[in-house]
Amino acid sequence: GAVVSQHPSWVICKSGTSVKIECRSLDFQATTMFWYRQFPKQSLMLMATSNEGSKATYEQGVEKDKFLINHASLTLSTLTVTSAHPEDSSFYICSAPRADYGYTFGSGTRLTVV
Amino acid sequence: AQSVTQPDIHITVSEGASLELRCNYSYGATPYLFWYVQSPGQGLQLLLKYFSGDTLVQGIKGFEAEFKRSQSSFNLRKPSVHWSDAAEYFCAVGRTSGTYKYIFGTGTRLKVLA
Repeated sequence: GAVVSQHPSWVICKSGTSVKIECRSLDFQATTMFWYRQFPKQSLMLMATSNEGSKATYEQGVEKDKFLINHASLTLSTLTVTSAHPEDSSFYICSAPRADYGYTFGSGTRLTVV
Repeated sequence: AQSVTQPDIHITVSEGASLELRCNYSYGATPYLFWYVQSPGQGLQLLLKYFSGDTLVQGIKGFEAEFKRSQSSFNLRKPSVHWSDAAEYFCAVGRTSGTYKYIFGTGTRLKVLA
C-alpha cells in the first residue's frame, strides 16, 4: 500500500520549453504532496508543498512562476517546469505523507534541459 | 531550527563487515524518523521508520536502527554488509501533519569492497 506513481521517469527537453511531471497516489488519497529537487550527489531539497484544492506553498528561493504546482484532485499533483533552462536539470521527486505509514515517494524524474 | 546531520559523507567497508551510519537531528517536537536508500539514478526506498514504541527498529534488507532520544540520534546498522548495499543512504525526520517539515540529511555514500 501507499504507492505514488511518478511520470515520466526521465525527460529531455529543449531550453525554453515546459515540462510537466505527474505524481499519482494509487491506493490512497493524498491531500498533501511534497516536491523535492536533488542535484547530483546532494540531498533532497524541499521545493514546495501542494495541498489539494489550494495554492502550493513554496520554500524560500524557489520561483513559483517557474515551478508551477497543481493539485486538482486527491490523487494527482503535477509540477510544471516552465521555460526550462539547463540549470533546471535535476532529479525531481514527489512524496505524499500518510499518518499510518509516514512518507511514500515517487520513483523520481530526471530532467535534462539541452 | 530543524536539521538533520549525517556526519559521514562517505563510508567504505569490506563485504561482510559491520556497518553503522550516523544520524543526528534537531527538531521542535518528537519527530518521526526514517532511513532511505537510493541507488544511482533511482528513487528512494524506505528501509525503516520509527514512530513510537520500541527504540530498536528492524527494517528491510537486514538493516536496523536505534532511536536514542537523549542523544537525538537514529543510527542505522547492519551486522554484515553485502556488495549490493553500496548506495546512498539518507536519514529523514518529520511529522505527517502539522507545520513541521519533512527534512533530509545530506546523505552518506556507502562503498563496499569485495
